Amino acid sequence: GAVVSQHPSWVICKSGTSVKIECRSLDFQATTMFWYRQFPKQSLMLMATSNEGSKATYEQGVEKDKFLINHASLTLSTLTVTSAHPEDSSFYICSAPDREETQYFGPGTRLLVL
Amino acid sequence: AQSVTQPDIHITVSEGASLELRCNYSYGATPYLFWYVQSPGQGLQLLLKYFSGDTLVQGIKGFEAEFKRSQSSFNLRKPSVHWSDAAEYFCAVGPYTGRRALTFGSGTRLQVQP
Repeated sequence: GAVVSQHPSWVICKSGTSVKIECRSLDFQATTMFWYRQFPKQSLMLMATSNEGSKATYEQGVEKDKFLINHASLTLSTLTVTSAHPEDSSFYICSAPDREETQYFGPGTRLLVL
Repeated sequence: AQSVTQPDIHITVSEGASLELRCNYSYGATPYLFWYVQSPGQGLQLLLKYFSGDTLVQGIKGFEAEFKRSQSSFNLRKPSVHWSDAAEYFCAVGPYTGRRALTFGSGTRLQVQP
């Protein structure tokens, strides 16, 4: 199947700093990518849809100014958590659909804000 | 609105025993159904998917799932569980087209006893 990578796999940062997470489709192009957030022992909740060449679409309750999304190319989407706070600590997972609409998920990025 | 229900939060089975994980969905159009598995601290791996055709779908690692439209169910089965199957299992539903995100169930945590 297709491969989606994320970088970094984990990050620890101080409160108030910004953190950038990259999501790459390694062997296919993705005009759309999705960003999910997962709290411990919970399911994945969609945060936003990243669209190549246009603005991201955010789910209700997700602050677009806090979670900046840039879909720079057909293989790369980035999520920047701005002015991170401890409550932003979570597991962030991206996904990308291939040409057959099957979604492939990245390995996730664990963020810990101190 | 679409929704996915996984009624079993936690299941424990003995190694070698059979397994069935339940999934019920609510979806206004023709659904695209998935089962994913997540090991601790990892991303999601696709086990199998269904859109049309044979209602019994074979996946990786010896898993299969059966789509029953009349019951709005897509239960996951495995005839003989291995210790390495211990993980979190997520059922998800999505549209076949439109590059929309998936809606996930709350997950079922599988423990395997020796």
